[in-house]
Amino acid sequence: TQLLEQSPQFLSIQEGENLTVYCNSSSVFSSLQWYRQEPGEGPVLLVTVVTGGEVKKLKRLTFQFGDARKDSSLHITAAQPGDTGLYLCAVRGGGGTSYGKLTFGQGTILTVHP
Amino acid sequence: NAGVTQTPKFQVLKTGQSMTLQCAQDMNHNSMYWYRQDPGMGLRLIYYSASEGTTDKGEVPNGYNVSRLNKREFSLRLESAAPSQTSVYFCASRFGGLETQYFGPGTRLLVL
Repeated sequence: TQLLEQSPQFLSIQEGENLTVYCNSSSVFSSLQWYRQEPGEGPVLLVTVVTGGEVKKLKRLTFQFGDARKDSSLHITAAQPGDTGLYLCAVRGGGGTSYGKLTFGQGTILTVHP
Repeated sequence: NAGVTQTPKFQVLKTGQSMTLQCAQDMNHNSMYWYRQDPGMGLRLIYYSASEGTTDKGEVPNGYNVSRLNKREFSLRLESAAPSQTSVYFCASRFGGLETQYFGPGTRLLVL
């Protein structure tokens, strides 16, 4: 059983459409991160959310942390081909001293067609 | 600054061969990590090093060993490669106390 479940696994949309990606768990987290990974490259951090109910915006991307800190969503408005990539959510490993270890969801592959 | 660098970029091995994946960072980060990425599985932690001189197992350590050579370098060794180790391997680093991990470009490994 995955600690973090991402949905959908695949998303193929046309330029200009809106979309939402979800990251769900039955566990409570102190913080959650979203990464984007482009083909042939390593993941790059987009945002860290730490407070239940928190909303953060990064240009056309809106990130929300659930009130209970068990889930998160990423909403993209007016998607562009440059948004194409793998979107990953991640949380710090369990235990009191995690040393920054991350556990990742399985990812959502987004393709935006011109 | 180059950030996190990994060598080689690609490698093909035969079952039973050994190899070492190299990782270096020039950001003076304390912590370093090795992950593997397989389709539909996200990234899974193999080993990590919280600081120079320490290493510890992650989620999937079997078949791997690591060395934290100095503060900059963290290598991953496959002693006897198996087809199940075909994957993309990523190294990452983090400055202690901060959330952000910085990833290298990855090494694509195929074991035949």
